Amino acid sequence: DGGITQSPKYLFRKEGQNVTLSCEQNLNHDAMYWYRQDPGQGLRLIYYSQIVNDFQKGDIAEGYSVSREKKESFPLTVTSAQKNPTAFYLCASSLTLAGNTEAFFGQGTRLTVV
Amino acid sequence: GEDVEQSLFLSVREGDSSVINCTYTDSSSTYLYWYKQEPGAGLQLLTYIFSNMDMKQDQRLTVLLNKKDKHLSLRIADTQTGDSAIYFCAESNPLTGGFKTIFGAGTRLFVKA
Repeated sequence: DGGITQSPKYLFRKEGQNVTLSCEQNLNHDAMYWYRQDPGQGLRLIYYSQIVNDFQKGDIAEGYSVSREKKESFPLTVTSAQKNPTAFYLCASSLTLAGNTEAFFGQGTRLTVV
Repeated sequence: GEDVEQSLFLSVREGDSSVINCTYTDSSSTYLYWYKQEPGAGLQLLTYIFSNMDMKQDQRLTVLLNKKDKHLSLRIADTQTGDSAIYFCAESNPLTGGFKTIFGAGTRLFVKA
């Protein structure tokens, strides 16, 4: 079955640690995205990638890093520089970056700082 | 800057119609979307509408767009308990490539049996 998979579903991080969230898709989509969701707020774009080996900062990129070495994979690293990392993180992909293409979302990773 | 606003909560009785409203500020928006999020899950696209349309109907879902007032609504007919979820309104402008899709905060729909 085609789809987009995020792992792990739950992640706990100690303060000062970097953690990496995985996102894999087998939909052959060019574009991939990372969003952060906080209670009572809409989704905020962290990073996006239009094509392999290319990615751009979104609205709240500080304290995060990404890579796009393969078309299928777009991992997100939450660094120690991110002061308030506890949130629900959603990865998405779409065929292209065009506004009329549907975005498919993963099931999300809930990150908690302990 | 661009903004999308929704009320945070809506409660309806099973069998009634639900109407979820959304306002947006970007007058150049071309695509407007409704996504559904069930607890602990990702978002699922329900429907979308082009800005040159006033209405779109898909089974129990009716989307109304008032471009002059920048107002979008989603009507769910014969609401069921399985419709309980968070509904996100979103808008994007293909001139910016779509990556600037702006999401509202989501409306949590409670359906009472």
